[in-house]
Amino acid sequence: GQQVMQIPQYQHVQEGEDFTTYCNSSTTLSNIQWYKQRPGGHPVFLIQLVKSGEVKKQKRLTFQFGEAKKNSSLHITATQTTDVGTYFCAGAMDSNYQLIWGAGTKLIIKP
Amino acid sequence: IAGITQAPTSQILAAGRRMTLRCTQDMRHNAMYWYRQDLGLGLRLIHYSNTAGTTGKGEVPDGYSVSRANTDDFPLTLASAVPSQTSVYFCASSPTSAWADEQFFGPGTRLTVL
Repeated sequence: GQQVMQIPQYQHVQEGEDFTTYCNSSTTLSNIQWYKQRPGGHPVFLIQLVKSGEVKKQKRLTFQFGEAKKNSSLHITATQTTDVGTYFCAGAMDSNYQLIWGAGTKLIIKP
Repeated sequence: IAGITQAPTSQILAAGRRMTLRCTQDMRHNAMYWYRQDLGLGLRLIHYSNTAGTTGKGEVPDGYSVSRANTDDFPLTLASAVPSQTSVYFCASSPTSAWADEQFFGPGTRLTVL
């Protein structure tokens, strides 16, 4: 079936280091959304990308949508403790109305 | 109420019992969804409703049923619970269909089936 693969599953960083998570789809996406889930919390919408090659920034977060609309990335510069959580991508396929979710990347700040 | 509420917050249930998880939103969103979240598997869609009076099956619908009698409420029923249904369940809503809009999530229900 249709899948969105997200890597890595976990990433341990020192505070101040950068963090990146990647999503790849086997099929072309209509759009891709990114969500953040804090430990013990629920997913919260961050952003939606629609256009081929689109790049959007939110302060230290940079989101990219690939030219072929099959991959996306989220990059966090100079991580802070408030960034801790799991980041999910969710892609919408042209063929149906449902979001297909990646498995998430958990950002862990080393003590 | 502001946003989406879910009840109960958590529940321990004996296998074979019937259970209804409640979800209510006050944002007048047309679309609502039920997901389950299991470690390492992300979010999997169980059922959805694009508008009051209609429902559809998601990725993992077996063992679950839903109804959408009005805009605000979207209960999820487990007719006869099994241990593999142990999970965290999230209800979500969006103004219109999923692919166009962001989804707003409730706080979740942690269900344990023994």
